[in-house]
Amino acid sequence: GQQLNQSPQSMFIQEGEDVSMNCTSSSIFNTWLWYKQDPGEGPVLLIALYKAGELTSNGRLTAQFGITRKDSFLNISASIPSDVGIYFCAGSSGNTPLVFGKGTRLSVIA
Amino acid sequence: EAQVTQNPRYLITVTGKKLTVTCSQNMNHEYMSWYRQDPGLGLRQIYYSMNVEVTDKGDVPEGYKVSRKEKRNFPLILESPSPNQTSLYFCASSRAQETQYFGPGTRLLVL
Repeated sequence: GQQLNQSPQSMFIQEGEDVSMNCTSSSIFNTWLWYKQDPGEGPVLLIALYKAGELTSNGRLTAQFGITRKDSFLNISASIPSDVGIYFCAGSSGNTPLVFGKGTRLSVIA
Repeated sequence: EAQVTQNPRYLITVTGKKLTVTCSQNMNHEYMSWYRQDPGLGLRQIYYSMNVEVTDKGDVPEGYKVSRKEKRNFPLILESPSPNQTSLYFCASSRAQETQYFGPGTRLLVL
């Protein structure tokens, strides 16, 4: 099945630093979603994007739906220890099942 | 509280012994799906259901069955589990195919 290219695979950052991760696809999507998974838990939806060019914030998180509709990025500002986890992007073209990236594992060093 | 529940959360079984993982949601969602998560492979969809009595294969359906007799329940059935089905399984539900809400996961070990 189709997969999204999500990068980086993992990141180690200092507390207080900003973080950026992105996803690209060979297909056009109508919806981009970003999830976070804490250890031992299911993924939790962070941000949903429904329109090309859309920029949406949720606290320290900001995500954008790329103009080409084939990419999206997620930024986390001023990272804190509880930001640790795996971040997944996911895309949907409406009539097909949601497609997930392989995740970005974020580690925050205090 | 709106939620997706899965049972059991942890399961150890032996090859060939049929098992069922239950999934239930209380949000009146039409869409439900099952994923497996393996290291380095991310989340892969096993089966999904657009509504009652409507199910479709996802990316990795081999060795699994599902049923959707009621809107709230979507059990995952392994008729004859094998060690390569050792994984972390997630059920999810949503009103449409996007913005899915995930359950807490079921960790399965097949010996």
